[in-house]
Amino acid sequence: GAVVSQHPSWVICKSGTSVKIECRSLDFQATTMFWYRQFPKQSLMLMATSNEGSKATYEQGVEKDKFLINHASLTLSTLTVTSAHPEDSSFYICSADRRTGLNYGYTFGSGTRLTVV
Amino acid sequence: GQQVMQIPQYQHVQEGEDFTTYCNSSTTLSNIQWYKQRPGGHPVFLIQLVKSGEVKKQKRLTFQFGEAKKNSSLHITATQTTDVGTYFCADAGGTSYGKLTFGQGTILTVHP
Repeated sequence: GAVVSQHPSWVICKSGTSVKIECRSLDFQATTMFWYRQFPKQSLMLMATSNEGSKATYEQGVEKDKFLINHASLTLSTLTVTSAHPEDSSFYICSADRRTGLNYGYTFGSGTRLTVV
Repeated sequence: GQQVMQIPQYQHVQEGEDFTTYCNSSTTLSNIQWYKQRPGGHPVFLIQLVKSGEVKKQKRLTFQFGEAKKNSSLHITATQTTDVGTYFCADAGGTSYGKLTFGQGTILTVHP
């Protein structure tokens, strides 16, 4: 089945530093990937839609200069949290659109738990 | 934008009891997807409902899509401890590259 690999699984960084999270589709090509953010016991909030070869589309209220998204190939999208602050600590999850017909769902990466200290 | 309301937020049951979570939308949904997220894990796709009044079953799980396509439910019969997790409904937006709009989720706890 469709597999999306996300790295790292967890990361602790100092305030003011940048962190890069990678999301790879292992057995399919993903023209579109999505980046979500999830706080404890809350729902997933879409941050941006990553399109291969073009600029990402950010949701309202998401700072594009802070959350840099690069989708340079059909199998890799990256999210870089720049100048991270403690309030950026969260669970970040990517997902990819794998169309296999009417009854398909989105495949999610395993998520990255970011802690900014 | 489209909002999907999901209730209850929490549900604690004894093993063997049934469980139901409900999703409602003020507007018609093109289709709705259901996901399960285990504690510490990532969402895993369960099913997609497309047709008005559709009912689908997966072993002890029964999924329904309302006649007006504004509500959906997930019912688990005779819960087991392995059912623990958060269940999300999500509006799939109706387009091939549509983004998902998630409901708030229902956190299910099953006491042995």
